[in-house]
Amino acid sequence: EVQLVESGGGLVQPGRSLRLSCAASGFTFDDYAMHWVRQAPGKGLEWVSGISWNSGSIGYADSVKGRFTISRDNAKNSLYLQMNSLRAEDTALYYCVQGVPGDYWGQGTLVTVSS
Amino acid sequence: DIQLTQSPSFLSASVGDRVTITCRASQGISSYLAWYQQKPGKAPKLLIYAASTLQSGVPSRFSGSGSGTEFTLTISSLQPEDFATYYCQQLNSYPFTFGPGTKVDIK
Repeated sequence: EVQLVESGGGLVQPGRSLRLSCAASGFTFDDYAMHWVRQAPGKGLEWVSGISWNSGSIGYADSVKGRFTISRDNAKNSLYLQMNSLRAEDTALYYCVQGVPGDYWGQGTLVTVSS
Repeated sequence: DIQLTQSPSFLSASVGDRVTITCRASQGISSYLAWYQQKPGKAPKLLIYAASTLQSGVPSRFSGSGSGTEFTLTISSLQPEDFATYYCQQLNSYPFTFGPGTKVDIK
């Protein structure tokens, strides 16, 4: 059974940093591209960032480019999102997503940016 | 960046109705389009990929069509469990943008 378990969310002040993690199991992790998608409260889906199976291709939404860094550790079956210079508008539920298109989604980790 | 628009943004329909949602891309994306369904409090669920390929386990009342810049998601006979929000996503090039969503509500 495919499982994606996000962690690392929480309440953080504007300008601070946070690192999200996604632990993957139930599939061959390094066979798949992985993505982060977020959803602000009551709003639609926003694709945040994606990384190919070997980290050779990486993309970011314009809204996070230069502030967020995606990475993966295939030996640990894990996906990460380093979020720096956080803003109030980054407040959202962050989903870890397997594949292109997104076949499996985690349940999300909530990030709240507020003073 | 490729922008996606969806129409309508909201629709009210009855069980048994045929429902069509349109997604338009700001530039050609071939068939690199997916459709998702999201219910309140739940993660999105993949319905269709490559514009018209039904994901395994998705009921056949769902279908997708289109290529280039215009795409449609059709539900042939709306069921009670289909009341949800539907999103399209382009997978042609980074950033993999989503459409703003279409909420399907009960009339």
